[in-house]
Amino acid sequence: GQNIDQPTEMTATEGAIVQINCTYQTSGFNGLFWYQQHAGEAPTFLSYNVLDGLEEKGRFSSFLSRSKGYSYLLLKELQMKDSASYLCAEVDSNYQLIWGAGTKLIIKP
Amino acid sequence: DAMVIQNPRYQVTQFGKPVTLSCSQTLNHNVMYWYQQKSSQAPKLLFHYYDKDFNNEADTPDNFQSRRPNTSFCFLDIRSPGLGDAAMYLCATSRDGGNTGELFFGEGSRLTVL
Repeated sequence: GQNIDQPTEMTATEGAIVQINCTYQTSGFNGLFWYQQHAGEAPTFLSYNVLDGLEEKGRFSSFLSRSKGYSYLLLKELQMKDSASYLCAEVDSNYQLIWGAGTKLIIKP
Repeated sequence: DAMVIQNPRYQVTQFGKPVTLSCSQTLNHNVMYWYQQKSSQAPKLLFHYYDKDFNNEADTPDNFQSRRPNTSFCFLDIRSPGLGDAAMYLCATSRDGGNTGELFFGEGSRLTVL
């Protein structure tokens, strides 16, 4: 079966930079999503990568390496409101969306 | 304005008492999904509709049913809720199938089973 691995929890300081990693199985790949989910709320779309490289969108950037089965989400100039879970989700060879359990990001002043 | 609206936001029911959760969308998207999400876990797809075509995930319990009477509305029926069904239920839409487009989620319905 497909496995999505991402750290359970990370802590960072307001104003700093944090990188959240995600690895997935490489047997068939059709893209990778990052979603943000605040506690008790629905996920909201952050990014979609299907080609290798870095895509920047304001304070958030997402990177993909298909050969390594690896992606990361980079958050710059962290703000308290960035405290949330960050979910990585892979589109597999059958175009099914495989979700990670999310990384809970705690921002400290 | 909210584009995917779920009702109710919070639902409390008794063990075995049927529950219906609703979802409506103003996006005119072809695909509607129901996910179950438990605390600190990945969302679990229960089923989805592509237009009127219903797709049930293999491991979705028979206790869970769905209806999509028209493009805008989709319902999740839980016939006999058990304690293990307590979770957040998320409705989502996408323009097309294939999961290569953004999912638009509603705010979720949190189910408590007493």
